[in-house]
Amino acid sequence: GEDVEQSLFLSVREGDSSVINCTYTDSSSTYLYWYKQEPGAGLQLLTYIFSNMDMKQDQRLTVLLNKKDKHLSLRIADTQTGDSAIYFCAESRSNDYKLSFGAGTTVTVRA
Amino acid sequence: DAGVIQSPRHEVTEMGQEVTLRCKPISGHNSLFWYRQTMMRGLELLIYFNNNVPIDDSGMPEDRFSAKMPNASFSTLKIQPSEPRDSAVYFCASSDGDEQFFGPGTRLTVL
Repeated sequence: GEDVEQSLFLSVREGDSSVINCTYTDSSSTYLYWYKQEPGAGLQLLTYIFSNMDMKQDQRLTVLLNKKDKHLSLRIADTQTGDSAIYFCAESRSNDYKLSFGAGTTVTVRA
Repeated sequence: DAGVIQSPRHEVTEMGQEVTLRCKPISGHNSLFWYRQTMMRGLELLIYFNNNVPIDDSGMPEDRFSAKMPNASFSTLKIQPSEPRDSAVYFCASSDGDEQFFGPGTRLTVL
């Protein structure tokens, strides 16, 4: 959507780190999410962060949030071929179930 | 739990025909969402229900689209008459207030 922007493509070598960036415009965003979509499948929630946090780590995934700049990033350490997918950034407000999604970043992992 | 169930997984129809997409949310979830995904427009929220009541249908493209949720375990999205520009993947998602769980989607092709 217009409120959430992402770069469209990322190519990364297997074993390297991937960094996917996202910017959003709604200053009242409370929750920020990263979803993964594999070919032919639905979206799967990878991780999310509350707006009062600036970092969250979960195994190979690290989410960084710069609330001042409204910038969110997802770092995938030791990227594997199974990480090839489309990654969506999304945001919502605490009193609203609606999610606003970015256009998605297609991550291609090359050997 | 089997997750969100959608049927059919694939639908091919001719322009002008009625199309009905079905969704069974996860038991106990009180919110249900219908999304449409296309290459051009990305992921768009069409409508969402809370406790079987439509809360926001502002994303429904036009009067040809309608959605119902007669009970907590079933929802339909109907397109009548269908047009080629309706070709997309339609996702249903359900939520208990935190995470949205997506179904596998229905790929609709209108010839």
